[in-house]
Amino acid sequence: DTEVTQTPKHLVMGMTNKKSLKCEQHMGHRAMYWYKQKAKKPPELMFVYSYEKLSINESVPSRFSPECPNSSLLNLHLHALQPEDSALYLCASSHRTGKKRANTEAFFGQGTRLTVV
Amino acid sequence: KNQVEQSPQSLIILEGKNCTLQCNYTVSPFSNLRWYKQDTGRGPVSLTIMTFSENTKSNGRYTATLDADTKQSSLHITASQLSDSASYICVVTVLSGYNKLIFGAGTRLAVHP
Repeated sequence: DTEVTQTPKHLVMGMTNKKSLKCEQHMGHRAMYWYKQKAKKPPELMFVYSYEKLSINESVPSRFSPECPNSSLLNLHLHALQPEDSALYLCASSHRTGKKRANTEAFFGQGTRLTVV
Repeated sequence: KNQVEQSPQSLIILEGKNCTLQCNYTVSPFSNLRWYKQDTGRGPVSLTIMTFSENTKSNGRYTATLDADTKQSSLHITASQLSDSASYICVVTVLSGYNKLIFGAGTRLAVHP
């Protein structure tokens, strides 16, 4: 199984709503990532979890709150979002890399298309 | 500054023709270089991954090359199909404890019948 599964595929939410994006993988990867991608732009890294601990936060606003309840799951909790937060949110996972593992693959989910109204 | 630049920005070819996409990078320390295919509104799908010691790697009709000395890579698509229409993204990984990916802006390929 080389899949990263994201739910929901599409989400429309109001600026006062609270919602969550979910990501799941069963490849034994201990690094998981959230990316944000605007149209016709490359993905931008938001968060990195390593061994279920937050290791990288790329100065993301607090209205985005990540959570890694176990080694297979990654959530992104959303609250009080702005219309400019509308984007494709991608989850990815990989083994941790290093000099002895230079070609480790990163697998992406299909993304959640988020629209904030 | 770590950067990945791709050319051309967009490309239109006829079905059955070949094409080559280019990628130049300045990333250090270098771990590997990947090519991804991304359909609109979908997640990227890996095509190839190469470390600095690999010069070429094929995946079906896709062949990637890497010149670590000049820091250039190319992706050659043979006998293009309509389903090849997508964005092709060159991604270079920084050697670190996790996959720190530096993305190019992508080349948008349109294959016309």
